Amino acid sequence: IAGITQAPTSQILAAGRRMTLRCTQDMRHNAMYWYRQDLGLGLRLIHYSNTAGTTGKGEVPDGYSVSRANTDDFPLTLASAVPSQTSVYFCASSVDGTYNEQFFGPGTRLTVL
Amino acid sequence: GQNIDQPTEMTATEGAIVQINCTYQTSGFNGLFWYQQHAGEAPTFLSYNVLDGLEEKGRFSSFLSRSKGYSYLLLKELQMKDSASYLCAAQDSNYQLIWGAGTKLIIKP
Repeated sequence: IAGITQAPTSQILAAGRRMTLRCTQDMRHNAMYWYRQDLGLGLRLIHYSNTAGTTGKGEVPDGYSVSRANTDDFPLTLASAVPSQTSVYFCASSVDGTYNEQFFGPGTRLTVL
Repeated sequence: GQNIDQPTEMTATEGAIVQINCTYQTSGFNGLFWYQQHAGEAPTFLSYNVLDGLEEKGRFSSFLSRSKGYSYLLLKELQMKDSASYLCAAQDSNYQLIWGAGTKLIIKP
């Protein structure tokens, strides 16, 4: 692994289903982030984690949950998907939660029908 | 509230110079970032400014005026591969990045 990986690359999901988007980094970065990107809008922060074992809510956390059991992994779970969660999801990491040069994964394109 | 404004789209000619402006309003300020995003790809870091002035990095330069809440990204000697969206992001007092919607730059031969 080099950098950040995300899985799956894309997914079509029925409304009401549960879905977990996976994110793994091998840079030993302390901070990790989940964003969604929608046409015409800037990246919006869903949840973040400044260090393993801690998480925080971003701008649009409703309907999403995260966990940070270790440094490398930061999964994002949609408990019961709704069509408004159709988006491109990016995971990112940075050395820590202050200076914020963030490195992004390739993204997951999620469609909820 | 917190807000980032940048033009939606700009067009420029190969070999020319283009300036992409960004104005920001945030709760506190800890720096201004520019990222490049090619269509269908992830954003990649271009520059960071925290002090007033110009930072030059090859063909790309970024300027910051903290008193005016203003930044610009200057791209020189434009190449076709520079066709992309350019994202401005300001870091607020909690060190979170507030992102603009991006400026789509179209380069014409």
